[in-house]
Amino acid sequence: SYELTQTPSVSVSPGQTARITCSGEKFDNKYVSWYQQRPGQSPVVVVYEDYKRPSGIPERFSGSNSGNTATLTISGTQAMDEADYYCQAWDSGVVVFGGGTKLTVL
Amino acid sequence: QVQLVQSGPEVRKPGASVKVSCKASGYTFTDSYIHWVRQAPGQGLEWMGWINPDSGATKFQKNFQGRVSMTRDSSITTAYMELTRLRSDDTAMYYCAKGIAEAGTWWFDPWGQGTLVTVSS
Repeated sequence: SYELTQTPSVSVSPGQTARITCSGEKFDNKYVSWYQQRPGQSPVVVVYEDYKRPSGIPERFSGSNSGNTATLTISGTQAMDEADYYCQAWDSGVVVFGGGTKLTVL
Repeated sequence: QVQLVQSGPEVRKPGASVKVSCKASGYTFTDSYIHWVRQAPGQGLEWMGWINPDSGATKFQKNFQGRVSMTRDSSITTAYMELTRLRSDDTAMYYCAKGIAEAGTWWFDPWGQGTLVTVSS
């Protein structure tokens, strides 16, 4: 079955850039979405179709997808960005999520 | 605004069944698939399947086939997920989410608030 691999944790200082990666096979023909989940809350999409940002999501969130790696970049990270982040793709009719990355803003 | 509101927490014994509801509002219910995703305590997201509210067609992740059913009542814009033969490892938060199909992929927005299902003897 298709798998998406994420680094379990990333730490960043306030104001710095956080990069969260997601790897999978044949990513060049798949779109990746990213979800933010703050403690005790439901997931919220922050990037879809690799790089598109839903309305209401701050511009500091951006996405890219190249080769076998998709990246969620948070520029000028704020304390409120501390959360779990999940990548998601669709393969052969099945939705797949990465294992999640805990972003800590120190 | 588009909103999904789920039913309240449930406690079941092993071997029992549970049915979770997801009421949609703010959009045409039959225009978008509803997906179900669960999250065990401290764990990641696990996709369970979807229902097409228009036709009633369903697709399930193979790990749940035979134990899960998804239905809908379009008259009250509500989708349901029923899981049978519950085990302790079915203890999780269960989410419904509105699926958006574009460019040959799915993404989800918004999500319901979640329904905690606890399986314990």
